[in-house]
Amino acid sequence: DVKVTQSSRYLVKRTGEKVFLECVQDMDHENMFWYRQDPGLGLRLIYFSYDVKMKEKGDIPEGYSVSREKKERFSLILESASTNQTSMYLCASSAGQGGGELFFGEGSRLTVL
Amino acid sequence: GENVEQHPSTLSVQEGDSAVIKCTYSDSASNYFPWYKQELGKRPQLIIDIRSNVGEKKDQRIAVTLNKTAKHFSLHITETQPEDSAVYFCAAEGDSWGKFQFGAGTQVVVTP
Repeated sequence: DVKVTQSSRYLVKRTGEKVFLECVQDMDHENMFWYRQDPGLGLRLIYFSYDVKMKEKGDIPEGYSVSREKKERFSLILESASTNQTSMYLCASSAGQGGGELFFGEGSRLTVL
Repeated sequence: GENVEQHPSTLSVQEGDSAVIKCTYSDSASNYFPWYKQELGKRPQLIIDIRSNVGEKKDQRIAVTLNKTAKHFSLHITETQPEDSAVYFCAAEGDSWGKFQFGAGTQVVVTP
C-alpha cells in the first residue's frame, strides 16, 4: 500500500522560530512536492524535487527552503516562521516523468503565534 | 505559467441529483488533467484523470470531459450519494512535467 508519511500532524510555533516539516515516502518515487493548502486558494506549490539533491521552486517559495538528501525523504524548512505561514502543509510524491498520480500525506497543520 | 480557475466554490445537491464542476486553464500546452477528492480531515486522493488525446472518460458514476479548444474540463457526478460530500480539486499539468496547478476547490454537499 502506497504511503506518504508526514512527521507531525499539528505544530504550534512562535514567530521567528525555525521549523522543520519532514516527509517520507516508501514507493521509491522520483518526484516529491510540498504544497500549502489555504481555504479558497486550493493547493499552491512551494517546492518540488525530481531527484536526490535536486530542488525546484514552485509558485510560492519565499520564506521556505527544502532538503532532499535521500530519495525517500523531502524536508520543508521555514528559516524564521511568520504568522502568515500558518497553514496546512501537504507533501506529495509521484513516479516517472509527468502525467502521474500524486500521492499525498495526511498533512501538517502549522500554527505560528 | 499555468492558471486554473474552478467553479463553483460550493455546490449543494439533493441525493440522487447530478453535480457538475467546471475548470478552465490557460496553458494550451497542458495535456494532463486530474481530479482529486478530499474528504474532511483526509488527504486528497485521485478519483479520475484525463489526457489531452481523449475528450471524455467515465468511471462508474463519475465522468470527466475535456474541451481543448476552449481550454476547459468538467467533472460530472451522477446519482450523488452522501459519501460524495467532499472538496473536489481540478488540476492541470503545466510547463514542467509533474508540476500541477490546482483550482481553488469546490465544496460539494449532498443532502439526503
